[in-house]
Amino acid sequence: GQSLEQPSEVTAVEGAIVQINCTYQTSGFYGLSWYQQHDGGAPTFLSYNALDGLEETGRFSSFLSRSDSYGYLLLQELQMKDSASYFCAGGGSSASKIIFGSGTRLSIRP
Amino acid sequence: DVKVTQSSRYLVKRTGEKVFLECVQDMDHENMFWYRQDPGLGLRLIYFSYDVKMKEKGDIPEGYSVSREKKERFSLILESASTNQTSMYLCASSPWASGRDEQYFGPGTRLTVT
Repeated sequence: GQSLEQPSEVTAVEGAIVQINCTYQTSGFYGLSWYQQHDGGAPTFLSYNALDGLEETGRFSSFLSRSDSYGYLLLQELQMKDSASYFCAGGGSSASKIIFGSGTRLSIRP
Repeated sequence: DVKVTQSSRYLVKRTGEKVFLECVQDMDHENMFWYRQDPGLGLRLIYFSYDVKMKEKGDIPEGYSVSREKKERFSLILESASTNQTSMYLCASSPWASGRDEQYFGPGTRLTVT
């Protein structure tokens, strides 16, 4: 079956760097997306990797390796406001084939 | 900015009631989605629509139906609500071929069925 696996919880310190991993088993894989969701809020799009390698957007970067069926989201210079859940999403031979991981809850300590 | 709105933030219904959840997007997107979100399960796709009157079943369509009579509006219908449909329901939209798989989500409707 199709699935994306990510850790359920990660804890990090303010100002540090944290990496959230996502491994996948999907057919017709087209790319990997990342979303952020604060408690009580809607998921918001962070990044998308269609090709292998690193995509950087400010403090956030995302990486994809198709040969390893693996990607990660890297958050640098962590701020308290980065405390949220992060979802990877992939698949996507059509929009209806995109599936989401179960989410990683990131807690940041001062 | 893309805006996706949902008719209610919180809803309480009784078992057996027919429930309508409405979603409206203002960016002329072709694709619209209904998900439910439960703790530890992530987002699961209920139904997807790629055009007016067009729909595809997602992973968990049982007990739900949808309607898309206008491009901007996508409705989720619970024909006879049951307690196991208590959940957070999220609507999303995306352009037909953005090349980025970017979906825009509404604020969600927390539905409680008693």
